[in-house]
Amino acid sequence: AQTVTQSQPEMSVQEAETVTLSCTYDTSESDYYLFWYKQPPSRQMILVIRQEAYKQQNATENRFSVNFQKAAKSFSLKISDSQLGDAAMYFCAYRTTPLKSSGDKLTFGTGTRLAVRP
Amino acid sequence: NAGVTQTPKFRILKIGQSMTLQCTQDMNHNYMYWYRQDPGMGLKLIYYSVGAGITDKGEVPNGYNVSRSTTEDFPLRLELAAPSQTSVYFCASTHPGQLNTEAFFGQGTRLTVV
Repeated sequence: AQTVTQSQPEMSVQEAETVTLSCTYDTSESDYYLFWYKQPPSRQMILVIRQEAYKQQNATENRFSVNFQKAAKSFSLKISDSQLGDAAMYFCAYRTTPLKSSGDKLTFGTGTRLAVRP
Repeated sequence: NAGVTQTPKFRILKIGQSMTLQCTQDMNHNYMYWYRQDPGMGLKLIYYSVGAGITDKGEVPNGYNVSRSTTEDFPLRLELAAPSQTSVYFCASTHPGQLNTEAFFGQGTRLTVV
């Protein structure tokens, strides 16, 4: 079974600075997808960024970018120019392809709570 | 677009009571999921469904049941509520045809069992 590990329960960053959230995962598959979700106090799950495992190029979305290291099974999220609105819980998630016997499921890490200091 | 709608948003149950958490989506997604999120923890998969009439257990299915009679609806049933089921429950859906498609989540149901 796939596992996703987020080793940083809490992180803090100064407004306008850069912060990196870590995520590692364990899988024997070669084809899969990785996601970062943001959960603000409203509880809503919001997709931040996604990465296809077959793509070598790291995904970017405005101030958010990832460092995807497939061999190391690492998928970190970098937030540049941090804003107060970035304060939230961030979850790393793994999704296998639907043709696998284990089915098409999203597996989440335990999350990293990000605080942004003004 | 309503997306994924969960009801109720909050509920307090007494030990031994039963209830159904409703989930409906209007995006014609085949795949639907139920997760629970305990305080300070990640999401754990309870049950999932890959289409109408098909359901399967996730990581923590004990104490829960589901059904999928239509593509749109995926209710989660708690038969005998226990304090260990105090949690926030999320329903989600996604389309299997686009493998990198994000999962869409409902706003969650905060359930307290006393």
